[in-house]
Amino acid sequence: QQPVQSPQAVILREGEDAVINCSSSKALYSVHWYRQKHGEAPVFLMILLKGGEQKGHDKISASFNEKKQQSSLYLTASQLSYSGTYFCGTENTGTASKLTFGTGTRLQVTL
Amino acid sequence: NAGVTQTPKFQVLKTGQSMTLQCAQDMNHEYMSWYRQDPGMGLRLIHYSVGAGITDQGEVPNGYNVSRSTTEDFPLRLLSAAPSQTSVYFCASSPRTGAYEQYFGPGTRLTVT
Repeated sequence: QQPVQSPQAVILREGEDAVINCSSSKALYSVHWYRQKHGEAPVFLMILLKGGEQKGHDKISASFNEKKQQSSLYLTASQLSYSGTYFCGTENTGTASKLTFGTGTRLQVTL
Repeated sequence: NAGVTQTPKFQVLKTGQSMTLQCAQDMNHEYMSWYRQDPGMGLRLIHYSVGAGITDQGEVPNGYNVSRSTTEDFPLRLLSAAPSQTSVYFCASSPRTGAYEQYFGPGTRLTVT
């Protein structure tokens, strides 16, 4: 079953912040985040393992709430290069070999 | 390293035709998978493999076959193409199962008329 992402789309001005959420109805082993530019393949951003950790690099970070089976991706001081579609992928406890993606969040950053 | 390669990049089929989408990786990755991407549907898992000789079904396996005779190659076969299989197909690989980065190929855009 696909994880649920919200919002479906968001438009930001350069420098603004955004949060993208990902939730699952099943117990999660890990959450992956990827970004895809139009016409290109998805590119890896980060992975979070169960344990409630938070990760980040540059101005993009993420958290994982194991109890709520949720993850959030935080984009701060957005840049034009952040535009694209963001996907979360989840691996459920017991089926760690199967990575299932959400339907994506389209992010557009404007001047 | 070439990473993950897919051929062809574009393909047009007629309903009922069969074909094989090729996927290869040169990173000695154990895990390989196929996804299809349709507007508004995200990436949906078709089939995956945790090693040579081992394959399993994903969310949307109907109409597709896979095999994994070598570590490097993971072809996807469309048995009898249908318009509903019009999509962009991505192959991905990772070092092994579990929480590892997925490396995606460039994709194959398939149209079935």
